[in-house]
Parts: sequence; structure tokens; C-alpha cells
Amino acid sequence: DAKTTQPTSMDCAEGRAANLPCNHSTISGNEYVYWYRQIHSQGPQYIIHGLKNNETNEMASLIITEDRKSSTLILPHATLRDTAVYYCIVRAHDDKIIFGKGTRLHILP
Amino acid sequence: KAGVTQTPRYLIKTRGQQVTLSCSPISGHRSVSWYQQTPGQGLQFLFEYFSETQRNKGNFPGRFSGRQFSNSRSEMNVSTLELGDSALYLCASSLARGLNEQYFGPGTRLTVT
Repeated sequence: DAKTTQPTSMDCAEGRAANLPCNHSTISGNEYVYWYRQIHSQGPQYIIHGLKNNETNEMASLIITEDRKSSTLILPHATLRDTAVYYCIVRAHDDKIIFGKGTRLHILP
Repeated sequence: KAGVTQTPRYLIKTRGQQVTLSCSPISGHRSVSWYQQTPGQGLQFLFEYFSETQRNKGNFPGRFSGRQFSNSRSEMNVSTLELGDSALYLCASSLARGLNEQYFGPGTRLTVT
């Protein structure tokens, strides 16, 4: 079973920051938070991951709360191409990936 | 660098038949995982192979099996196909077990009639 809770869908205006929340209240000390997204008709795409520190790469930023019970994925300047289903996944380093339902993000022109 | 490739991309089979799907990982990647995606169940983990050994398995019946070759290419097999096996089968590769990023292929769309 997925260990995360995400909103079913969200809207964001093009050019604005998209902030996607994820609750993972049962996360354990050795479990990482991973984000993937799936654009329609394509395989999932890795975005970012983190353990307890905030992380940033060329695609997004990941903000993890101090108690690690929740996190937020930030797409700083959303474009229409960011329309996708975003999955927040919690797992130990060598554990299988369990995808939940994800958040369907709609970028509005 | 070429991405993960999966063959065939589309397949139509009849109930009771068996099917073999193929996955070629990114060059240098030694870990291959398989997933099934359906509208009702979403993305579900099937199994993971590393160094020709199955390292992890999801909750699927024994009709689903796989293997990995010495060149890291992988195949999965589904025997005695059922209508409910109609799905998109995705393969993902990564450099090694326990590393962070899995790169997914485009998938094989299997339709069972």
C-alpha cells in the first residue's frame, strides 16, 4: 500500500509556481521521499528525491518538513508541458517502488 | 545515450495464450524493474532484477515471471493470459540497486481478447 496521501488534482496558472503537497506521516528514518511524474501516454519520469534536507535540481525543489511527515514539490515556473500526474513515493533505498494515485496537475494557459 | 527500449510496443493476444515482453535498459544500468499499469489499479510493481537475480517481487500470481540476462536485458513472461492482464507494461532501469533514479521505457500495451 502507498504510504503517502496526495490531493487528487490541482490547477496552476502557467508561469506560476506549482506547489504539490504530500503527506507521509508514517515515514521511517531510513525512507526517502521520491517524486516521479507521468505525462499522458509516457512512462513515469524521475523528478527528485530527498531524505531530510531540502533538495533542488534543474526540474524542481523538494521541501521536507523537519518532522519528515510531509513534503512539497515545487515547480518554480510551470509550463503547459508540466501537465501530468505527479507521484510522491516513500521507500527505503532498496525497496520496491509503490505508486499511489498521485496528483493530476493541470497547468492553465 | 539511448533510453530504455521495450518491444513490442503493442500486442494483442487471446485468453489462454502466453506472452513474452522484452526490455533493454540504458547502457551501464544493471537493475531492471517491471510494472503493470491499468486504469483501475494504477501503477503496480511486478518485480526487480539485478545481476540476473530477482531481488524483489510484487503481489502478482505465478503466471507472471521474468528473467535478466548477463547483458542486463530483461524479459517478462505472462502465461495463461486472462482478460484482466490487459495493461501497459512498463520497464525501468537504474544503475544499481538502491540508487535513486529509475528511467522508464515507453511501455508495451498488451490487449487480451
